[in-house]
Amino acid sequence: AQSVTQLGSHVSVSEGALVLLRCNYSSSVPPYLFWYVQYPNQGLQLLLKYTTGATLVKGINGFEAEFKKSETSFHLTKPSAHMSDAAEYFCAVTPGGYQKVTFGTGTKLQVIP
Amino acid sequence: EAGVTQFPSHSVIEKGQTVTLRCDPISGHDNLYWYRRVMGKEIKFLLHFVKESKQDESGMPNNRFLAERTGGTYSTLKVQPAELEDSGVYFCASSPRDSASSGNTIYFGEGSWLTVV
Repeated sequence: AQSVTQLGSHVSVSEGALVLLRCNYSSSVPPYLFWYVQYPNQGLQLLLKYTTGATLVKGINGFEAEFKKSETSFHLTKPSAHMSDAAEYFCAVTPGGYQKVTFGTGTKLQVIP
Repeated sequence: EAGVTQFPSHSVIEKGQTVTLRCDPISGHDNLYWYRRVMGKEIKFLLHFVKESKQDESGMPNNRFLAERTGGTYSTLKVQPAELEDSGVYFCASSPRDSASSGNTIYFGEGSWLTVV
């Protein structure tokens, strides 16, 4: 069984500041991990994913995440927040490429000018 | 290449009425999934088709929900009769049978926003 915990349902950062969204997972098998973003009134867009290989993965819009097996974490970071980053972010896990995805509860990111 | 498309994008219906949501997956994708997010809660799995067969429908909340995928192409999700707690966003997603060919990615549509009043 898989589960995902996202710490903080709301996160506020100043424009230009570091963005850190936390995600911890639980999985009975080696996981595939994803971050999705949902902008207001839009669908889910894949930001980045980890399947195998390099544990630091880079995604779109300057985001990256690091898979840390020992900490069962997959935190999302961006060095400098932009106003356009305001959205809701979902961490997700799946035990395989096309099996059902388990999502976290989401973190709404607010960027303050 | 067209992505996953969903229709309608928004729907407002009265309690007790019927609504049918449609999903067109990416062409050639055997796997089709339905998810929903109600009242700001987490996005939850509803069911999974492989072609026209239901692989896993463990997430379907009750028998008011009926999903079909005749011919293994597009899928419909019918809610009958709709209740207030069915309000939310219904997402459809698809992936190819060979997950490695898509980089193990599931592609989501933009969702169908349902409001039951």
